[in-house]
Amino acid sequence: DAGVIQSPRHEVTEMGQEVTLRCKPISGHDYLFWYRQTMMRGLELLIYFNNNVPIDDSGMPEDRFSAKMPNASFSTLKIQPSEPRDSAVYFCASGTSGFHEQYFGPGTRLTVT
Amino acid sequence: GDSVTQMEGPVTLSEEAFLTINCTYTATGYPSLFWYVQYPGEGLQLLLKATKADDKGSNKGFEATYRKETTSFHLEKGSVQVSDSAVYFCALSDPDYKLSFGAGTTVTVRA
Repeated sequence: DAGVIQSPRHEVTEMGQEVTLRCKPISGHDYLFWYRQTMMRGLELLIYFNNNVPIDDSGMPEDRFSAKMPNASFSTLKIQPSEPRDSAVYFCASGTSGFHEQYFGPGTRLTVT
Repeated sequence: GDSVTQMEGPVTLSEEAFLTINCTYTATGYPSLFWYVQYPGEGLQLLLKATKADDKGSNKGFEATYRKETTSFHLEKGSVQVSDSAVYFCALSDPDYKLSFGAGTTVTVRA
């Protein structure tokens, strides 16, 4: 299995620009999670989906962040407009009902200048 | 709410030394417990897990036992290698499949 796939691996953008991060979960998994990792705040859960439906988005920092899962094999996290404080590594993870472990992608390192 | 507390690092060891990273948790139910490892520039990898009291998870020479009476899940390895240098995260899962992570412990093994 290819594991969780994220793209791009690195993104550098200027403040005010729109950023879209992409994730392909492991085939057959019905849970998908978006996390943000920074030195200051550690790992933060932003939002998660079950069967393509958003279940909990209480971790989304503000309205500039949005996430979608149009089908079982694809999800996006969008930041519009981006700000320097959004600089972080963003991870996508997937899991399956009945098993509580999550499998993480390699992450997208976002730098907003 | 559910939470995980793990020992702060960084931890520096010599090769073949014994490694212990303490982890305690607070949870209202009976969570599943995990250790994840993160190598530089990579995502988190599941190292081992335990789903009920007294279960022992093991992988790659690492072990951890789910201790309900002490609400602990300490990670141990008898003889570390340079390749074990990484950040280790203890985590628990709630009934809604959300993970709560500890702050992470950075381990450096010197040759």
